[in-house]
Amino acid sequence: DTGVSQDPRHKITKRGQNVTFRCDPISEHNRLYWYRQTLGQGPEFLTYFQNEAQLEKSRLLSDRFSAERPKGSFSTLEIQRTEQGDSAMYLCASSDQARNTIYFGEGSWLTVV
Amino acid sequence: GQNIDQPTEMTATEGAIVQINCTYQTSGFNGLFWYQQHAGEAPTFLSYNVLDGLEEKGRFSSFLSRSKGYSYLLLKELQMKDSASYLCAVREDTGFQKLVFGTGTRLLVSP
Repeated sequence: DTGVSQDPRHKITKRGQNVTFRCDPISEHNRLYWYRQTLGQGPEFLTYFQNEAQLEKSRLLSDRFSAERPKGSFSTLEIQRTEQGDSAMYLCASSDQARNTIYFGEGSWLTVV
Repeated sequence: GQNIDQPTEMTATEGAIVQINCTYQTSGFNGLFWYQQHAGEAPTFLSYNVLDGLEEKGRFSSFLSRSKGYSYLLLKELQMKDSASYLCAVREDTGFQKLVFGTGTRLLVSP
């Protein structure tokens, strides 16, 4: 069990640029979640995958955001035309159906300047 | 709608006991989770309750009352390293199993 890994851990980008984050879940986990967290707040749900199918998307996920999980393993979260309000920590988490635990990765910090 | 309430901040002394409360009103319920989060780090799983009662795990215990929409996290023999945010999260009673988080309680443990 290598845990959930995310890359990059930190990203500074100029407003208007596109950024992409990658998440590698725990290998046997078929469920994958993306959350966003800003300072002083709890994580907010963005989207959920079961295997390769994206089954739920939050209203927070505007059309500038897109997530994929092409082979049911790793996932990517892309933000197009970044805005300063996108600055946050983007958390990936995974779980399997048998256990009642959702494990989080270390997060990817995004700063839009 | 969904509403999860926790105190914003708490302080306690090393060696003491502290109880962090969480009340929730959600459209469905399929379990309540507590996570610990140190500044700048990802949340770490602490406990899970789906039935009423107390779950004990070392220095940490978590209690749930579904009829009251209430949970608490009890931390015993506090250590300085317990200074962190504690997040209460409810898993909705849907097939998607997503967690809805409160804003977290920042606990400061002093010597």
